[in-house]
Amino acid sequence: GAVVSQHPSWVICKSGTSVKIECRSLDFQATTMFWYRQFPKQSLMLMATSNEGSKATYEQGVEKDKFLINHASLTLSTLTVTSAHPEDSSFYICSARTQPDGYGYTFGSGTRLTVV
Amino acid sequence: GDSVTQMEGPVTLSEEAFLTINCTYTATGYPSLFWYVQYPGEGLQLLLKATKADDKGSNKGFEATYRKETTSFHLEKGSVQVSDSAVYFCALRGSNSGYALNFGKGTSLLVTP
Repeated sequence: GAVVSQHPSWVICKSGTSVKIECRSLDFQATTMFWYRQFPKQSLMLMATSNEGSKATYEQGVEKDKFLINHASLTLSTLTVTSAHPEDSSFYICSARTQPDGYGYTFGSGTRLTVV
Repeated sequence: GDSVTQMEGPVTLSEEAFLTINCTYTATGYPSLFWYVQYPGEGLQLLLKATKADDKGSNKGFEATYRKETTSFHLEKGSVQVSDSAVYFCALRGSNSGYALNFGKGTSLLVTP
């Protein structure tokens, strides 16, 4: 089945630095990628939706200059957390739509970001 | 806006016990409803779905029925196994969500031998 490979699975970075998270679709073309953020014991919160070749659409309250999303190809989408702060520490998950009818999605295994 | 509320965990059951994880939703129009499961160290996997009222989704012994009158989509399994230990997420795709999913907080299930 459709697989999305997300890397890294965990990362620790210093405050003020940037971190890039990659999601690759391995055996299908991901025209749409969703990026979620999850706090402990909280639901997955949609951060942004990206479509290949166009600018990402960010949810209200998500800083687009802080969370840079690039979806330059049909198999790769990246999320870069810029000038990271401890409050950015969270679990980030990508998801791709796999079926045109909108009922199929595949998820990356997530990235645990810790900013120290 | 759309929202999903599911029961708080963790839920601890003995093997072969009956499982119910409650999920209710708020949405305009006619959403599609999903249950996802996340095993340790893995990504979310679709467990089952229902796309219209009265539909019953089923997979691996799990079932959930789309109840529009009670805005619910409770997950059930008649006899759980240790291998069912995971986190379960109820989710909906709203009529106007642009295909993004709206998730509940997740319910952690631990099944003991």
